[in-house]
Amino acid sequence: SQTIHQWPATLVQPVGSPLSLECTVEGTSNPNLYWYRQAAGRGLQLLFYSVGIGQISSEVPQNLSASRPQDRQFILSSKKLLLSDSGFYLCAWRGSRSEQYFGPGTRLTVT
Amino acid sequence: RKEVEQDPGPFNVPEGATVAFNCTYSNSASQSFFWYRQDCRKEPKLLMSVYSSGNEDGRFTAQLNRASQYISLLIRDSKLSDSATYLCVVSRSGYALNFGKGTSLLVTP
Repeated sequence: SQTIHQWPATLVQPVGSPLSLECTVEGTSNPNLYWYRQAAGRGLQLLFYSVGIGQISSEVPQNLSASRPQDRQFILSSKKLLLSDSGFYLCAWRGSRSEQYFGPGTRLTVT
Repeated sequence: RKEVEQDPGPFNVPEGATVAFNCTYSNSASQSFFWYRQDCRKEPKLLMSVYSSGNEDGRFTAQLNRASQYISLLIRDSKLSDSATYLCVVSRSGYALNFGKGTSLLVTP
């Protein structure tokens, strides 16, 4: 069966510091992968999605970037965090009926 | 107009009650529809897909009205464990989904 991993689970970073969040998927090949952010009390905002290695589509201009170096690996990065980057970051993969399955998420607090 | 709109609630109901959530969507070309459940500080989890003919999964019934661009979720015999936020989700062009902001449900003893 498919599983999706994210780490770390929680992260506290100062403003201006870099960020790297990793997501890996097991049990499926060539999945469509997604990064979302959920700010406190807000809905899910799609940040990036990827249909294959090296293929990244950006939904919202911001100081974040994403990379897909391997088929089952999706990385979210930032060179300099802003306070507004705080939130719950979720990685997801797409199933056969267009549904998406989420990882456990990373809760990021920028101080 | 927002892509997916839901009443944020909260809905406070006693155990055993029946509760219904509604959702409207703006993209008439949407093909796939889902309800997700999100517990506090957890990731959203797929509750059920929504089909044009309506579908049921135990105590949960989902309905879709394409003409009105309206989706509903009915929960019968509410349990304490049903307390969560319920997200209405609609596909859009390409590979993406649009998520509503969710409806909060609290089931009380």
